Amino acid sequence: AQKITQTQPGMFVQEKEAVTLDCTYDTSDPSYGLFWYKQPSSGEMIFLIYQGSYDQQNATEGRYSLNFQKARKSANLVISASQLGDSAMYFCAMREGNQNMFSGGYNKLIFGAGTRLAVHP
Amino acid sequence: NAGVTQTPKFQVLKTGQSMTLQCAQDMNHNSMYWYRQDPGMGLRLIYYSASEGTTDKGEVPNGYNVSRLNKREFSLRLESAAPSQTSVYFCASTLLGTGGDTQYFGPGTRLTVL
Repeated sequence: AQKITQTQPGMFVQEKEAVTLDCTYDTSDPSYGLFWYKQPSSGEMIFLIYQGSYDQQNATEGRYSLNFQKARKSANLVISASQLGDSAMYFCAMREGNQNMFSGGYNKLIFGAGTRLAVHP
Repeated sequence: NAGVTQTPKFQVLKTGQSMTLQCAQDMNHNSMYWYRQDPGMGLRLIYYSASEGTTDKGEVPNGYNVSRLNKREFSLRLESAAPSQTSVYFCASTLLGTGGDTQYFGPGTRLTVL
């Protein structure tokens, strides 16, 4: 079963507008973490934002915010005031399990297939 | 700090050849990971090392071996390369036990197997 689903292969947005990239996940583990990474055309993976399953508030990092709806198992990324440099692939990822470094299999990330965002001037 | 470094950046192999991809981090992280990224897909975990001295299989380990040489270095070896291993390989590291335990990625190695 697919654990992370990104249903939008491609999105485009006008510069300075906001855009939402969708991510739904599937897990039976009560403790998990959700991440968003950006991959520009140069290829590197850049960490954007993190949300823990027990966090009470939605995570925010500058122009990035994570719309976390636990009951719906969704963790959408919102980018406000889009810039041309935001054009990239965006990946949602999930970590299952507790923060126990001695437990086997901990901190493995499962990635979605990604959404390609194009920002138009 | 250089963060996570990978060598080489590009490599072309013939079927059956072997090679080792090198990864090093200078952030004093305890856990390290190897992923592969195929066109149009997200990253998939090949092997990981939760701490120095331990390694475990991830989602797609067949055809690969790893060595956690020390706390800083984690190498990935292809003993007999196959065209199906053409991919971009990413190394990542994290400090377990901290809030969020974010994985930080190296720049990637683009491997082509002919």
